Amino acid sequence: DAKTTQPTSMDCAEGRAANLPCNHSTISGNEYVYWYRQIHSQGPQYIIHGLKNNETNEMASLIITEDRKSSTLILPHATLRDTAVYYCIVRVAGNTGKLIFGQGTTLQVKP
Amino acid sequence: SAVISQKPSRDICQRGTSLTIQCQVDSQVTMMFWYRQQPGQSLTLIATANQGSEATYESGFVIDKFPISRPNLTFSTLTVSNMSPEDSSIYLCSVEVEGRQETQYFGPGTRLLVL
Repeated sequence: DAKTTQPTSMDCAEGRAANLPCNHSTISGNEYVYWYRQIHSQGPQYIIHGLKNNETNEMASLIITEDRKSSTLILPHATLRDTAVYYCIVRVAGNTGKLIFGQGTTLQVKP
Repeated sequence: SAVISQKPSRDICQRGTSLTIQCQVDSQVTMMFWYRQQPGQSLTLIATANQGSEATYESGFVIDKFPISRPNLTFSTLTVSNMSPEDSSIYLCSVEVEGRQETQYFGPGTRLLVL
């Protein structure tokens, strides 16, 4: 599975969009980009995943560059409850199952 | 999604003892996993719990230290054996759900402190 690089920490004002970048320059053609978050003292929560097209769900949007070497997770209207560690993970969907977690980005949403 | 429960939610144990952690899911799942999160660190996969057969362990983890059982599709246990303070961590189970194998769901975790 390809390695990812994320900033260690970011701040965002409440109500504004939070844009969390991720670099995955060695991604393979059959690898998906996944985003999870871990709110303090809880288990990780699935947010969204995609292969090459942009994706949107009720939680967030995922923008993947055309060359697939980087992506951005967008929380359109951040709230204080979005304060968490956000993990960008690249993996082959299907048989392997396992997720390789990096250190993630600590997002602090401030009032 | 799947509702995942873990027991106990937390425990304080003496070194040299063992603790068995249970993971129960409310629906049939295709795969179950056990992760460890040491203080201030990210998650590390311990093993894949296979139904009816021995678990598949990741590098650095062995069956004698972390025996795992999975007697059916919705239940698994992880035992932390002969504990030392270095085993103080959060232990999490996760699952992939039938029909949604592309997504992994995590339990709330078991917080273990070894004195």
